[in-house]
Amino acid sequence: LAKTTQPISMDSYEGQEVNITCSHNNIATNDYITWYQQFPSQGPRFIIQGYKTKVTNEVASLFIPADRKSSTLSLPRVSLSDTAVYYCLASASRQLTFGSGTQLTVLP
Amino acid sequence: DADVTQTPRNRITKTGKRIMLECSQTKGHDRMYWYRQDPGLGLQLIYYSFDVKDINKGEISDGYSVSRQAQAKFSLSLESAIPNQTALYFCATSFGPGELFFGEGSRLTVL
Repeated sequence: LAKTTQPISMDSYEGQEVNITCSHNNIATNDYITWYQQFPSQGPRFIIQGYKTKVTNEVASLFIPADRKSSTLSLPRVSLSDTAVYYCLASASRQLTFGSGTQLTVLP
Repeated sequence: DADVTQTPRNRITKTGKRIMLECSQTKGHDRMYWYRQDPGLGLQLIYYSFDVKDINKGEISDGYSVSRQAQAKFSLSLESAIPNQTALYFCATSFGPGELFFGEGSRLTVL
């Protein structure tokens, strides 16, 4: 299983771009990298998934370098409603285990 | 209606009681998961199932059991509940290794 490491917390201001990095040194060849967002007392919600290089959707971008030992979730122009915990998962295997996540707090 | 439905949403019980949390999905996914979340912490995988006959232990399966009654139903049981099993429990589904879809959670309190 690929173990992931993220910063415990981050603060940002409204309108700024936020980058959250995840380390996954022992990622397997067939592992995908997936990011989720979780609000208190709610189940996590899918944000974005990628395998390598860059993936972009309507809410975020995911950057994965060639060695795939880390990935960066980029949230453009965050708002107060983006305050949440963000998790990265690196696994294509049977077990999908979450790390501790990053608490992002967006300040006015 | 939610694609992944958990019942009950809230339950208070006493130590030693048997509790069942149920999960049903209308997404047609093959994979189903049960997670536990303690306050302020991440999600821990309890059990997962890729098929009715394919059930596997996760990180913290002790004290729990599961049943995959059909492709759409996956139940979690606490045979003899204890206070440190007080937590928020989530069911999730996926098609292959793709996106996980979570239910709204079942909050369990064991007194």
